[in-house]
Amino acid sequence: EAGVTQFPSHSVIEKGQTVTLRCDPISGHDNLYWYRRVMGKEIKFLLHFVKESKQDESGMPNNRFLAERTGGTYSTLKVQPAELEDSGVYFCASSQDRGVLGYTFGSGTRLTVV
Amino acid sequence: GEDVEQSLFLSVREGDSSVINCTYTDSSSTYLYWYKQEPGAGLQLLTYIFSNMDMKQDQRLTVLLNKKDKHLSLRIADTQTGDSAIYFCAERKGTNAGKSTFGDGTTLTVKP
Repeated sequence: EAGVTQFPSHSVIEKGQTVTLRCDPISGHDNLYWYRRVMGKEIKFLLHFVKESKQDESGMPNNRFLAERTGGTYSTLKVQPAELEDSGVYFCASSQDRGVLGYTFGSGTRLTVV
Repeated sequence: GEDVEQSLFLSVREGDSSVINCTYTDSSSTYLYWYKQEPGAGLQLLTYIFSNMDMKQDQRLTVLLNKKDKHLSLRIADTQTGDSAIYFCAERKGTNAGKSTFGDGTTLTVKP
């Protein structure tokens, strides 16, 4: 079974540019989550999809961040325009249920905004 | 993080036991987790414990939960160099809440 796949693994962009991160969850997992870790601190929740619907987007920092999951399969997270404080590692995770028994994480995308 | 706290670093010698500690603030936390992150990899679920349990053992791993003190610990017996990684404690409230709250992570270094 393929795991959770994230692309790209690294991205370096200039302040003001746009970046789109992609996550392919485990096939059949209806629940997809985005988290990020900034400056080596705690891993913070961004949002939770159930199929194509946003179940909880309380962690999205501002309207520069847009997440989509068209068709309920893969998801994208777009940052536009990127700011320096957006640098960090963005993790995607998926689960078959609501993640009561934990998630399966991807390897993350390391975003550096210069 | 504010809601889940861990010490940042732990260093042990190979063969010793490691104990990684975590405290959380919300008494309504019903599920608690330990994840391991090796360099360049994503987080791997190590184990979880429900709030109605005090202890869970899985091979070299022992999780202890003190609900009164809101304290969770992960003990790794016979620590090996391959156990060197960042260990994250996480909690969630209830079965419907999809999100979990993570700590800052504890970097475990195992010296030969």
